[in-house]
Amino acid sequence: DADVTQTPRNRITKTGKRIMLECSQTKGHDRMYWYRQDPGLGLRLIYYSFDVKDINKGEISDGYSVSRQAQAKFSLSLESAIPNQTALYFCATSDPVGAGELFFGEGSRLTVL
Amino acid sequence: EDKVVQSPLSLVVHEGDTVTLNCSYEVTNFRSLLWYKQEKKAPTFLFMLTSSGIEKKSGRLSSILDKKELFSILNITATQTGDSAIYLCAVRRDDKIIFGKGTRLHILP
Repeated sequence: DADVTQTPRNRITKTGKRIMLECSQTKGHDRMYWYRQDPGLGLRLIYYSFDVKDINKGEISDGYSVSRQAQAKFSLSLESAIPNQTALYFCATSDPVGAGELFFGEGSRLTVL
Repeated sequence: EDKVVQSPLSLVVHEGDTVTLNCSYEVTNFRSLLWYKQEKKAPTFLFMLTSSGIEKKSGRLSSILDKKELFSILNITATQTGDSAIYLCAVRRDDKIIFGKGTRLHILP
């Protein structure tokens, strides 16, 4: 089983619908991140969280919200999806001890029509 | 504003060639620089660099960091078609990790 699991892996929805992407991890890391990837733009940070009570905006948080339900769970919501939110979304975790690499989920491909 | 800039954005070479990918950064509270390889799905970790001048190697891949000039390079020697991928550079601050736009590398057989 994957250490970082994202659901759904693929989703097609319509403009205006509410969408939730879920992420769970078994690595025991406190730090969790949501990134989106668009062709030619690399990975851009949406939100990050250092523990259940700590939520921080990244560089492109507008139109998104998050919930850290437990140390192992971090959900990303699109309250009213729009077509330019069509992208590949990655959840990641890291261990704050040391210089810390990111461990990624397999990605959730979202298409907004 | 923090930024991570990779060059070139795209590169096409023939199998057996050597390639050098570049990453420059301007980031406050630098902790480390990370290289990832992304093929079809999630990025996979290659290297983490924290000290200047110390080369990290893994097979045909190597990387080095210059903290004075604020850049890193990733070298791939004797390239193979399996090296075709997007290579991502990222810099870790105290809090978050910032990515460059990536270099798309295509190896021709």
